[in-house]
Amino acid sequence: AQSVTQPDIHITVSEGASLELRCNYSYGATPYLFWYVQSPGQGLQLLLKYFSGDTLVQGIKGFEAEFKRSQSSFNLRKPSVHWSDAAEYFCAVGAKGRRALTFGSGTRLQVQP
Amino acid sequence: NAGVTQTPKFQVLKTGQSMTLQCAQDMNHNSMYWYRQDPGMGLRLIYYSASEGTTDKGEVPNGYNVSRLNKREFSLRLESAAPSQTSVYFCASRDRVGDTQYFGPGTRLTVL
Repeated sequence: AQSVTQPDIHITVSEGASLELRCNYSYGATPYLFWYVQSPGQGLQLLLKYFSGDTLVQGIKGFEAEFKRSQSSFNLRKPSVHWSDAAEYFCAVGAKGRRALTFGSGTRLQVQP
Repeated sequence: NAGVTQTPKFQVLKTGQSMTLQCAQDMNHNSMYWYRQDPGMGLRLIYYSASEGTTDKGEVPNGYNVSRLNKREFSLRLESAAPSQTSVYFCASRDRVGDTQYFGPGTRLTVL
């Protein structure tokens, strides 16, 4: 069965500092990987996705993620965090045409001034 | 182009009451989904619909029913609400070409 682990429940970083959010997945087939962001009281917004090709993926709002098959990881990074990045971040895994995504439990990001 | 819309945004029910959560998308997507979000558990699939006229159970279907009214609309019904159904409910639709799910703003439901 597929699963997604986000080992960090809560992370606090200072504004301007770099950020890395971890995501590990377990999936039998070639995975499709996603990062979504959820601001308080809002729905989920797609940050980026990986299907194939270049393992370093660029997304919106200055985020990027790197797919590492050997480590079953898809970590999200940002070189300089802004206060508006405070939100909850979800990693998800799926497959082409499959019925739904499997989500991790989320990482809540707090940004200190 | 509103994307995925959900109504209502908030709802409080008493145990045993029924209600229907509405979802509509204007992106001409075939597949639609209902998830629930609980603290520390991410999103879990309740039901999905691969196309108009078809529905299938997801991970946590007990206590829910769905209707795919047409290509645009996919409703979720709680026949007899229970406190364990207190949650935030998200509807999503999937872009077949990009294979990406797009989410509505959610419905926050409290069952007393």
